[in-house]
Amino acid sequence: RKEVEQDPGPFNVPEGATVAFNCTYSNSASQSFFWYRQDCRKEPKLLMSVYSSGNEDGRFTAQLNRASQYISLLIRDSKLSDSATYLCVVMRNQFYFGTGTSLTVIP
Amino acid sequence: DAMVIQNPRYQVTQFGKPVTLSCSQTLNHNVMYWYQQKSSQAPKLLFHYYDKDFNNEADTPDNFQSRRPNTSFCFLDIRSPGLGDAAMYLCATSRDWGSNQPQHFGDGTRLSIL
Repeated sequence: RKEVEQDPGPFNVPEGATVAFNCTYSNSASQSFFWYRQDCRKEPKLLMSVYSSGNEDGRFTAQLNRASQYISLLIRDSKLSDSATYLCVVMRNQFYFGTGTSLTVIP
Repeated sequence: DAMVIQNPRYQVTQFGKPVTLSCSQTLNHNVMYWYQQKSSQAPKLLFHYYDKDFNNEADTPDNFQSRRPNTSFCFLDIRSPGLGDAAMYLCATSRDWGSNQPQHFGDGTRLSIL
């Protein structure tokens, strides 16, 4: 079983829509959780860390459910510039990456 | 200002011709990582340095070597590149090993093999 699993998508949503991504992790000893954004042919960039209490940064909300071993990312009021691949990253003894969820926001 | 800098951004080499990719950081982080990423795949960890301690992933081919002469610099050497080594190579840093701090990535070097 993979350490981190994500729905690869693609998710195609209209501008202004709300979209949610989920990610599951296999090891309950995982310690830290992150969402990264990766544009085509570019490096991953940290979008936000995910805290146990959940956290919000503008239009982005991240949640962690340790009991069910998943994390989520909610994007409200989608913009064209949100189009990218979103990588779920889990840290235990090293950083484990999901394969990413592709989002395209359509005008 | 870029904090993790990779050079070059694009590298073309011939099949079997050694190539070196470089990474430097201004963050003074203890840990530096090299990842290989192919299209539509997750980054794959090749190895990492915790300070001067080198840690190789079990499935990293012997063809891949690394050097970290000081805190700021880390190099990836591919001794005899094959066609399957064409990929994006990402350098990343983190403050410490096993901490809750995220990784910071460089822009990547896109390697092509002729």
